Amino acid sequence: SAVISQKPSRDICQRGTSLTIQCQVDSQVTMMFWYRQQPGQSLTLIATANQGSEATYESGFVIDKFPISRPNLTFSTLTVSNMSPEDSSIYLCSVGFWQETQYFGPGTRLLVL
Amino acid sequence: GENVEQHPSTLSVQEGDSAVIKCTYSDSASNYFPWYKQELGKGPQLIIDIRSNVGEKKDQRIAVTLNKTAKHFSLHITETQPEDSAVYFCASLGEAGANNLFFGTGTRLTVIP
Repeated sequence: SAVISQKPSRDICQRGTSLTIQCQVDSQVTMMFWYRQQPGQSLTLIATANQGSEATYESGFVIDKFPISRPNLTFSTLTVSNMSPEDSSIYLCSVGFWQETQYFGPGTRLLVL
Repeated sequence: GENVEQHPSTLSVQEGDSAVIKCTYSDSASNYFPWYKQELGKGPQLIIDIRSNVGEKKDQRIAVTLNKTAKHFSLHITETQPEDSAVYFCASLGEAGANNLFFGTGTRLTVIP
């Protein structure tokens, strides 16, 4: 399995601001993903972070709201833009290989006031 | 797309008893089914997984069974211990769905000492 770290681990932000979350993995991986987990809920895939190209977003998520970067095979960022209280969630990155197991990071707990 | 249902939503058992969590999926092309354990304040941790060419897999006190005909799979935990208390998520990876994991709604397991 891979060792995955996320920064920050938690944050409290004001509405209208933006927050960038970092995901770092200790080895090169093919696939990196970003999920959202709203309080007490299951996980919902936001997008697949593609190395060297634009991320692939799931229905209901758009690049303007959740811009993603993946400059190399071990690092990705997710930005939550123009935040509102509805964006309060846990944001998780996961890594894996095509059609294989996914491993999750510890998550970033975001509270928007 | 894939739809994964999970039952029960909450489960309380006495220490030493067994716990069973069941999931159903809708996409007959799905071929990979992981189970994750999420403790409070942490990211989901893979605990066991099964592929569609196998009917059962066991790892110490944890086992997973898969019935492809009925499109359901179950997690079995025997000799439960207080440290098994957590939220458990099943997931399904559709063959045609790129690399998307579709998650169940989660089961909060409480093991009573």
